[in-house]
Amino acid sequence: DAGVIQSPRHEVTEMGQEVTLRCKPISGHNSLFWYRQTMMRGLELLIYFNNNVPIDDSGMPEDRFSAKMPNASFSTLKIQPSEPRDSAVYFCASSFGLISGNTIYFGEGSWLTVV
Amino acid sequence: SQKIEQNSEALNIQEGKTATLTCNYTNYSPAYLQWYRQDPGRGPVFLLLIRENEKEKRKERLKVTFDTTLKQSLFHITASQPADSATYLCALRDTGRRALTFGSGTRLQVQP
Repeated sequence: DAGVIQSPRHEVTEMGQEVTLRCKPISGHNSLFWYRQTMMRGLELLIYFNNNVPIDDSGMPEDRFSAKMPNASFSTLKIQPSEPRDSAVYFCASSFGLISGNTIYFGEGSWLTVV
Repeated sequence: SQKIEQNSEALNIQEGKTATLTCNYTNYSPAYLQWYRQDPGRGPVFLLLIRENEKEKRKERLKVTFDTTLKQSLFHITASQPADSATYLCALRDTGRRALTFGSGTRLQVQP
């Protein structure tokens, strides 16, 4: 089975531009998570969805960030306008439910550089 | 505030020795704790889960302990190999949230 699929794998963009990161969760999984990883702050949870509904977006840094999950097999994380401090690796992950103890499966990440 | 602490300094050991990594947490009452492995340029991969009523869990050369009194988990790799070199992350379910919060990870380097 395919794992969590993210695109693009690498993106370099100029400050002020819009960035859209995409994620396809594992088929059958109904929970989806967006994390951001930097050297300084480690792996931070941005937002998560259950059954396509955003459950907790308290980790989203500011209004420039938005996430959607229009259906069970697709989610986007958008940054508009992008800033150099947004440079990080953005991971999408999925799991079957939010039941205590369920393993979450990560994609390979989208490496974002904002210059 | 809630914190998950892992040793930020890399752990260097010789092949064949046992590696022990530590995860300490404060202001959590976790029902379980998970350990993940992350290789450079890759996403984290699940290794083991231990529940609060379990003192120890084993999987092949891996062993995890969970002491809810000390608020600490230890992760052991016995007979370590260079292929075990990676960053190891512990994760807890955040109180009041239903997603995992991760520690910053400890990088393990096993020398041949």
